[in-house]
Amino acid sequence: EPEVTQTPSHQVTQMGQEVILRCVPISNHLYFYWYRQILGQKVEFLVSFYNNEISEKSEIFDDQFSVERPDGSNFTLKIRSTKLEDSAMYFCASSQRTSGGINEQFFGPGTRLTVL
Amino acid sequence: SQQGEEDPQALSIQEGENATMNCSYKTSINNLQWYRQNSGRGLVHLILIRSNEREKHSGRLRVTLDTSKKSSSLLITASRAADTASYFCVVDYGGSQGNLIFGKGTKLSVKP
Repeated sequence: EPEVTQTPSHQVTQMGQEVILRCVPISNHLYFYWYRQILGQKVEFLVSFYNNEISEKSEIFDDQFSVERPDGSNFTLKIRSTKLEDSAMYFCASSQRTSGGINEQFFGPGTRLTVL
Repeated sequence: SQQGEEDPQALSIQEGENATMNCSYKTSINNLQWYRQNSGRGLVHLILIRSNEREKHSGRLRVTLDTSKKSSSLLITASRAADTASYFCVVDYGGSQGNLIFGKGTKLSVKP
């Protein structure tokens, strides 16, 4: 069964450093998403991406964040200058919207980002 | 708030018992989805029920939807220790670009 994959599973970085989190969505999906979950808190939406551009972003997704689909398979989230409060689990998701607008999203296993 | 609200926040049962979790929401929906998250792991899509459906089954899972009461329930029958996880209902109002809004979830603990 096809699945969303994410690398790395765990990333440790120093405050102020740039990180790139990588995702390979399911191959025939057209809609891509990033969410994050700070330890013990709710899953929060960051950004959605369709047709090579951002569709929607939350207030969390400030200028320090960017997304890219550099080729036909990868979908990346870049944090330019990490802060301590960026420490969280980051989930990538993808979906294939149906004509009825059904949006069943498939999530990857997540990347745990630790900022020291 | 646009998110679904799960109830109870925590539920502890013995293996073999049934577990029922509820979700309430505020306005008309396109569909409602249930997800599971094992501790510290990814989110797994369990089941989706459309606004014109009243009940749906998938294995040991049974989901109901009552649009007049703006509520849904997830029933897990004959629970197993492996069902221990957090369960989230996610409501799709159809108006957004597709971002899902998660609530706090119900933390289910199934004791062997």
